[in-house]
Amino acid sequence: GEDVEQSLFLSVREGDSSVINCTYTDSSSTYLYWYKQEPGAGLQLLTYIFSNMDMKQDQRLTVLLNKKDKHLSLRIADTQTGDSAIYFCAEARDNYGQNFVFGPGTRLSVLP
Amino acid sequence: DSGVTQTPKHLITATGQRVTLRCSPRSGDLSVYWYQQSLDQGLQFLIQYYNGEERAKGNILERFSAQQFPDLHSELNLSSLELGDSALYFCASSPPWGDTQYFGPGTRLTVL
Repeated sequence: GEDVEQSLFLSVREGDSSVINCTYTDSSSTYLYWYKQEPGAGLQLLTYIFSNMDMKQDQRLTVLLNKKDKHLSLRIADTQTGDSAIYFCAEARDNYGQNFVFGPGTRLSVLP
Repeated sequence: DSGVTQTPKHLITATGQRVTLRCSPRSGDLSVYWYQQSLDQGLQFLIQYYNGEERAKGNILERFSAQQFPDLHSELNLSSLELGDSALYFCASSPPWGDTQYFGPGTRLTVL
């Protein structure tokens, strides 16, 4: 289909790892992104991965890309209450930074 | 702080009215994007400008229009407002090589 897909909700316990999954649609997408939106705030770029990579690590964040299955995941290690937010996956379907398509967002709730 | 600014932060108006939302991109960024975020529609791409010219159009209604000025700031004009136009409107900017988008804090529009 045309849409970027994500599960809508995820709950984890504080200190556990969170894995947020995304399925994108265009195999020629050059960049794939994860954005975080806290309540009442704008979208904050967390990390992105170029399509010729299969993994990127940045402190507590690990992005895995499976191009064959068009599957992208974001792993947050040692999840904290401050990680509670909506996480959006997005793909850039061309090389000019336009035609960004966002998923519906996954609401992560971190339980004490 | 992404470096993208939007004004006003909040706007309350009545049906049938017209409003203008303003966005200043990050220094050096040539592209400006407008998005609408509502509860039922998620994050929808509206329109993109690059260095003063319209580059891409998404799900933008005919009642809405935008422009980008020589100093690269952009305005989104919403007219004949309806209740369903109540939403968060985000602006984002990207550098000339366009590999990612940086979001402003958004303008929350409430139409009564």
